Amino acid sequence: NFLLTQPHSVSESPGKTVTISCARSSGSIASNYVQWYQQCPGSSPTTVIYEDNQRPSGVPDRFSGSVDSSSNSASLTISGLRPEDEADYYCQSYDGSNPGVFGGGTKLTVL
Amino acid sequence: QVQLVESGGGVVQPGRSLRLSCTASGFTFSNYAMHWVRQAPGKGLEWVAVIWYDGSNKYYADSVKGRFTISRDNSKNTVSLQMNSLRAEDSAVYYCARDRSFWGYDLEFWGQGTLVTVSS
Repeated sequence: NFLLTQPHSVSESPGKTVTISCARSSGSIASNYVQWYQQCPGSSPTTVIYEDNQRPSGVPDRFSGSVDSSSNSASLTISGLRPEDEADYYCQSYDGSNPGVFGGGTKLTVL
Repeated sequence: QVQLVESGGGVVQPGRSLRLSCTASGFTFSNYAMHWVRQAPGKGLEWVAVIWYDGSNKYYADSVKGRFTISRDNSKNTVSLQMNSLRAEDSAVYYCARDRSFWGYDLEFWGQGTLVTVSS
C-alpha cells in the first residue's frame, strides 16, 4: 500500500496564490490519476480537480492541478484566494489493489 | 441531477451489526461503481469499500476487511454496507459516493452522509 502525504495546514491572504502538495510514498504519481476534493465545514466533499488537472463544470479556473514526477507528488493551486475557499482539501489516488487512498487533508485558512 | 441519500446510521453497541443503505437517483445507476467513505469526528476521509457497476468486483480497506460487506441492487438503485463486529473506531459519518467510471478510481459525487456511533 502507498500513502499520500499532505501538509496539515496552509494559510494565505485573500487575492494571493496557494499551493497544496500531495506526495506519494511509493509507486509513480504519474501512474494513476490524482483527484482533489474540497470539504467546507459541515458539508460533504466535492471534487475540484479530477484526473490530475481536469476541472468539473462549475469549478472556477482559479483551481488547477498538476503532477510532478521528479518529486513524485501532485499539487493543487488556488489563485486569487477568496474567503469562501477556506476549507479542508484532500488528495486521492489509487492503484491496482487499492482503489481509494486519501491524503490526510490540508486545512486552508484564508487570512 | 445526481442524488445520493444514505440511511441506516445510528447508535450501536460494540460487537453488534448495522446495515447502511444509499439510494441513488438522477443517473443510470448500473453504469457506475459505488464507494463508501467514512470520516471520524474531526478526522480526515478514510476510504472503506468500492463495488463495480455490475457487482462483479468488490474491494475493501484493510481496516474493515472481513467485517464489512458492500453490495448493490441495480434494480432498486441502491448500494448497501453491512457492518458486523463493530468497534468504537468504526464511529464516523459514512458517505456514499458515485464513481466517475464503472470500475472505481474517482469519487465524482457524494451523499450527505449518515452518522454511525459505536458505543456501549
